[in-house]
Amino acid sequence: QSALTQPASVSGSPGQSITISCTGTSSDIGSYNYVSWYQQFPGKAPKLIIFDVDNRPSGVSDRFSGSKSDNTASLAISGLQAEDEADYYCSSYTTSSTYVFGTGTTVTVL
Amino acid sequence: QLMESGGGVVQPGMSLRLSCEASGFSFSMHGMHWVRQAPGKGLEWLGVIAYGEDITYYADSMKARVTISRDNSKNTVYLQMTSLTDADTATYYCARDYFPVLGRIDSWGQGTPVTVSS
Repeated sequence: QSALTQPASVSGSPGQSITISCTGTSSDIGSYNYVSWYQQFPGKAPKLIIFDVDNRPSGVSDRFSGSKSDNTASLAISGLQAEDEADYYCSSYTTSSTYVFGTGTTVTVL
Repeated sequence: QLMESGGGVVQPGMSLRLSCEASGFSFSMHGMHWVRQAPGKGLEWLGVIAYGEDITYYADSMKARVTISRDNSKNTVYLQMTSLTDADTATYYCARDYFPVLGRIDSWGQGTPVTVSS
């Protein structure tokens, strides 16, 4: 079970839109729509912000959106704000009945 | 709410047992995961136990050293890990799955830090 691949860092100016990619295989992202995204601030537990590829839990800003194509999932953040500066992790259910996280992406607001 | 306990300093080669007590939801209806995060590193999934106490799945890298169990009468899930090394130094999180087995982690505890050191 190799970790899903994410860029180490992504940055953008306030108001801009950014996208974080999450690349897996046909054994995880490519097989199921059980892709989730988590936001984590330093010293805090992760928080679910996207589930089942493109669904937002109640209370999560609609500036966050998710998508998937083949073995790659993506998280988009529109109207970037200073409060979005955090680490972001994707995850997926796998064909081995396990769970795998992405390598993580640090978002910096310039 | 999920509250982990049992973390602290552990000597290399020893074992640890962490607990996670749940409240505020129907514990016996959800799969429960353990995830860890080494200092400055990413999230690592360790394993999950299904709602019924008898089905577990583990990460291949941890299968030989980790056991997850639960006691639905106590709303508590446990993580036992053996033969600790300094590579096991991390914050350990328990987390709830939305489903009875696994598919979506939807809430997390605050984590308990474990330091492996002599």
